[in-house]
Amino acid sequence: QSVLTQAPSASGTPGQRVTISCSGSSSNIGSETVNWYQQLPGTAPKLLIYNNDQRPSGVPDRFSGSKSGTSASLAISGLQSEDEADYYCAAWDDSLNASVFGGGTKLTVL
Amino acid sequence: EVQLVQSGAEVKKPGESLKISCKGSGYSFTTYWIGWVRQMPGKGLEWMGIIYPGDSDTRYSPSFQGQVTISADKSISTAYLQWSSLKASDTAMYYCARQKGGTAGRGSWFDPWGQGTLVTVSS
Repeated sequence: QSVLTQAPSASGTPGQRVTISCSGSSSNIGSETVNWYQQLPGTAPKLLIYNNDQRPSGVPDRFSGSKSGTSASLAISGLQSEDEADYYCAAWDDSLNASVFGGGTKLTVL
Repeated sequence: EVQLVQSGAEVKKPGESLKISCKGSGYSFTTYWIGWVRQMPGKGLEWMGIIYPGDSDTRYSPSFQGQVTISADKSISTAYLQWSSLKASDTAMYYCARQKGGTAGRGSWFDPWGQGTLVTVSS
């Protein structure tokens, strides 16, 4: 059972906008910043969003992040087939004194 | 270009010891924390711990404290993850990643990541 909760799956059609949610608590998302990682099939994870809503250089602006209270969201607009991947949220947890990941959401592009 | 290159896949028997490596290049190795992340077959990512190669300050997740040892040799820009007695349940892909931002984990993120080292433990 992951400390951060994500729906195991999500789907959308090309061009659509999809949102992936990440739910936590006051000891993690509620008091710390959230990062998002994308893991394409058979590859290492890649940083997608950091500090809640910042995109590293090279990440398309179709990807955006937000945080409110103890929840965070990743939005992908103009969905493309190459977006099919697993998406993980992560945040520091003050109670555990460690970083924690969500269980991951597998995004399928129909 | 910042790169982390990990050692190759390993096949071990239960009870054996193992040390895998992660070599950094393209940046000042001693001034960034390096972390290790486990991914068991078909499962999600798990934060194991981090090390600051500059002074070897190390922090572990409670789940991995006492189960593994994280170390670094700054003279060769390499971080390590080791086990003294492997179990079948240690079978997983292990990633190293450079930490950016924040301090000692808090407020930080991993970028970039190594390519991963697959560890298989089977009798």
